[in-house]
Amino acid sequence: KAGVTQTPRYLIKTRGQQVTLSCSPISGHRSVSWYQQTPGQGLQFLFEYFSETQRNKGNFPGRFSGRQFSNSRSEMNVSTLELGDSALYLCASSLVGVYNEQFFGPGTRLTVL
Amino acid sequence: AQSVTQLDSHVSVSEGTPVLLRCNYSSSYSPSLFWYVQHPNKGLQLLLKYTSAATLVKGINGFEAEFKKSETSFHLTKPSAHMSDAAEYFCVVGYSSASKIIFGSGTRLSIRP
Repeated sequence: KAGVTQTPRYLIKTRGQQVTLSCSPISGHRSVSWYQQTPGQGLQFLFEYFSETQRNKGNFPGRFSGRQFSNSRSEMNVSTLELGDSALYLCASSLVGVYNEQFFGPGTRLTVL
Repeated sequence: AQSVTQLDSHVSVSEGTPVLLRCNYSSSYSPSLFWYVQHPNKGLQLLLKYTSAATLVKGINGFEAEFKKSETSFHLTKPSAHMSDAAEYFCVVGYSSASKIIFGSGTRLSIRP
């Protein structure tokens, strides 16, 4: 069974730009969640999608948004990038939801200059 | 309030000696508890999970954890450390009733030759 894949693996953007990250979950998994990881703040939950609906949301500004498609693939968008958005963005998929076992992708390393 | 505390930000042990990574949680609900490991520049991998069955949980790579409800603890142990165990370890608490997840701040495990 293929694991969770994330594209691209690395991104360099400049302040003010926007970026879209993609995540393909394990086949059959309907829950996809996104996390931001930085040295200062650690791992922070962004949001969870389940069957194309946002089910949970963390404490991030509206510049961070996401969506999920009918095939469970998910995208995360960050608009008006700030230097502080530089981070490793992790996607995870699960059969039932964030509160149960999750399988993580390798992450997308975003650098904002 | 729901929270999870990893008591040590950094643990250093010699190869072949026991490992103890400590985790305490606070909750008025019955949570699911997980330990994940993250190797440098990689996503998180599930080590083990507790979901109200046996209180002693065995995971991959020789790790195990004991759920102690009276102490609200879920400490991770391994009898003999290996160089490949050097990584960041996260204690995670999941609440199905709230469809919520909380990550600990992580413990970096270093192994001395």
